[in-house]
Order: sequence, then C-alpha cells, then structure tokens
Amino acid sequence: DIVLTQSPESLAVSLGERATINCKSSQNILYSSNYKNYLAWYQHKPGQPPKLLFYWASTRESGVPDRFSGSGSGTDFTLTISSLQPEDVALYYCHQYYTTPPTFGQGTRVEVK
Amino acid sequence: QVQLVQSGAEVRTPGSSVKVSCRASGDTFSSYAINWVRQAPGQGLEWMGGIIPMSRITNYAQKFRGRVTTTADESTNTAYMELSNLRSEDTAVYYCARGKSGYPMRGYFYAMDLWGQGTTVTVSS
Repeated sequence: DIVLTQSPESLAVSLGERATINCKSSQNILYSSNYKNYLAWYQHKPGQPPKLLFYWASTRESGVPDRFSGSGSGTDFTLTISSLQPEDVALYYCHQYYTTPPTFGQGTRVEVK
Repeated sequence: QVQLVQSGAEVRTPGSSVKVSCRASGDTFSSYAINWVRQAPGQGLEWMGGIIPMSRITNYAQKFRGRVTTTADESTNTAYMELSNLRSEDTAVYYCARGKSGYPMRGYFYAMDLWGQGTTVTVSS
C-alpha cells in the first residue's frame, strides 16, 4: 500500500498568518496517461464528517474559500492556508486514490497560536 | 439536496457483528462508488472498503478482508457495511462517503465529496 506521511503532525499559527502542511507519498501518484495527481485533501472538525477541500491535488471543491490552496506533483504535495481564520482550526488529511486501497496520511492538527 | 443518511449508534459485544446502513436521499448512487471510512478514538481516518454498485465491484483493505462486507441495494439507494468478529479495537465512528470511480481505469475509488453523518459503534463486554 502507498504510505502518505504528513508533516508537521501539528502546528500553531497566529490568526491571519500562513499555515503550510506537507504530504509525501511513498510512491509516485501522478498518472502519466492523464497527467493527474491522484491526491485529495480533507478538513475534519470534531463531531462532523470530513469535508473535501481539493482533489487532483489542486482542484478546489465548490465552496472552499480561496485562502486554501493545494499544490505539488509526483510524491510531494502541500496544502496552504494563506491567512488562518478561527474556523480553520481542524485536522487536515491527505488521501491518495492512485491505487486500491486508497490510503490517508496520519493527519495534521492546525491550531491558533 | 443530496445527503447520505446513516443508521444510528450501535453497541455490540466482542465476537458479534454489526451492519451499518447508508441511504442516499435526493439522488441515486449507482453511478458512484460508496466508500467506508472509520475513525477510532484518537486515531486518523482509515479506509476500510468500498463498492461500485453499477459495476458490482467491491474492494477491501487487507486489514479488514474476511471480516467486512459491503453491499448496495440500488432499488432503495442504500449501501451497507457489515463488520464481523468485532473486537474492542473496532470501537470507532464509521462513515460512508460517496465518490466517483475510475473503474476500470486507474483508481477505482476517487476523492470523496459527500459524507454521511457517521455512526458510532461501541464494542464492549
């Protein structure tokens, strides 16, 4: 199975500042036939189901604020929150669907400093 | 508005089975894949398995093979996940989640854009 390693495990950022989460895949998840990276990002708050933020590594899901961005290719990916807001406090997960079974990163907790 | 509505919380004893349902309201799910993902207390998200109703394809994570079965009833737009031989470590919130499928090309189970509310399963003697 593909292993996704997220870093850091947690980070505390001041409101209005940038938060950056990294996700490294144990193998390439860029499919050469369609040039798509098979990676998604989710936000997960307590008591709620996870919410899809990005798919194909950088395609923003409808309704996701543009302060969120997804980037990267191949084995290295990044989720960036350009200006942290109080409602962004959550766990964030990357998820690869290049192979079956799909796998998740271990999660990164984002808090307000 | 399309929603995935899951069955209510369950309490089971070790060695027993549980069956969780997931009904799609407002749409059919036959053209999608239905994934089952769980989160144990203090742990991250874990993909257990999934079903592609239109293609009658199922797939399970190695960890759960032999214990988990996913089915779908297209006439009622309801998917099911049954987990058998329960142990205390299976105590978790179980989610169903809809996503597109790349079957038969690469990636049977794509990103999950619609999630159920979650079902808490407690395994305790």
